[in-house]
Amino acid sequence: AQKVTQAQTEISVVEKEDVTLDCVYETRDTTYYLFWYKQPPSGELVFLIRRNSFDEQNEISGRYSWNFQKSTSSFNFTITASQVVDSAVYFCALSEPDSGNTPLVFGKGTRLSVIA
Amino acid sequence: DTEVTQTPKHLVMGMTNKKSLKCEQHMGHRAMYWYKQKAKKPPELMFVYSYEKLSINESVPSRFSPECPNSSLLNLHLHALQPEDSALYLCASSHRQYNEQFFGPGTRLTVL
Repeated sequence: AQKVTQAQTEISVVEKEDVTLDCVYETRDTTYYLFWYKQPPSGELVFLIRRNSFDEQNEISGRYSWNFQKSTSSFNFTITASQVVDSAVYFCALSEPDSGNTPLVFGKGTRLSVIA
Repeated sequence: DTEVTQTPKHLVMGMTNKKSLKCEQHMGHRAMYWYKQKAKKPPELMFVYSYEKLSINESVPSRFSPECPNSSLLNLHLHALQPEDSALYLCASSHRQYNEQFFGPGTRLTVL
């Protein structure tokens, strides 16, 4: 069975601090996809990144970076120089590769509060 | 255009009412999803449509009835709901191969 664990329920940081959101996953599949989504107070889930299991390169996009380590089954997300607009709930998710109708398995989410 | 739209944004209904939630995407995605999200919880999958056919029903009560009239539209018909059905209902769609799902803004449903 697939499972995603986000051990940090809530994190609070002061603006401009760096913050890392942890994600640990379990799967028996050798091929899978990992995702991060952001859910601001408005409610919409915003897709941030997809990572294939066979691609362990870390990725950076502006202030966002992702560290994928298969050896520890982790896919952590770092926000550098956090801003108030980063305040949201962040979900890590996992899915099998399929014909495009495979459900996402979500972690419970981490609520990030960035204080000005 | 990477947008999924949902109407209405807010819906208040009584337990005897019949209402429908609508979802639309024009990204050519052939998989569409309904999720239910309660406060401070992750989204829970309800239904998956693949190529306009229902492929997954996560044991959802029959008072929720999905419909996929065409590849761009997804409806969720509601009838005789209970107050515990009050939640944010999210629609999503995905590309056949990569499976990243794009979500709409959701409908906040309140059942009185």
